[in-house]
Amino acid sequence: SQQGEEDPQALSIQEGENATMNCSYKTSINNLQWYRQNSGRGLVHLILIRSNEREKHSGRLRVTLDTSKKSSSLLITASRAADTASYFCASNGQGAQKLVFGQGTRLTINP
Amino acid sequence: DVKVTQSSRYLVKRTGEKVFLECVQDMDHENMFWYRQDPGLGLRLIYFSYDVKMKEKGDIPEGYSVSREKKERFSLILESASTNQTSMYLCASSTGQGNDNEQFFGPGTRLTVL
Repeated sequence: SQQGEEDPQALSIQEGENATMNCSYKTSINNLQWYRQNSGRGLVHLILIRSNEREKHSGRLRVTLDTSKKSSSLLITASRAADTASYFCASNGQGAQKLVFGQGTRLTINP
Repeated sequence: DVKVTQSSRYLVKRTGEKVFLECVQDMDHENMFWYRQDPGLGLRLIYFSYDVKMKEKGDIPEGYSVSREKKERFSLILESASTNQTSMYLCASSTGQGNDNEQFFGPGTRLTVL
């Protein structure tokens, strides 16, 4: 399997704190994407960062990419209860249309 | 609003039954995917399709087959359901254009095989 790995597997923080999740992947990539999954539902795309980018922002989300270490991180600032979900990274190998998903981080925001 | 729909949210079948899971997308996407999701194992790709009548095996194709007769519809078939196929099944689609291949997911079908 070429699945990536996510760290931590589970994270529980207080509302208003920042949440950081990490992802490692194994092969050269075109881009890396982050998805969110609410309990028992499908995944929703959050943000995409290309292999030639190092950092990207979208609202309260900040993604970094270090291709030399084959790793990425997702930071959610000023967390809210509604951010409670599982978060997955997915890497897209060069020339490939399919994605390889990590195993996910389960984030719980406590009110 | 873009949409991927799956035929059932919950499904209960008996061992040995033939099971059809249907997925439809309204975005004119070339690519469609079937995943299964199990606790601790993340998403694993079963089959995918780049075009009508085209299919490629993913990481875990054993025990499954697929059909793509029309661009908007991708069906997953369990020829003879077994208890180890109890899982959440997720369908997704993406455009085949360019490298920014964001996938759009359906709501999932939770299949229980008794």
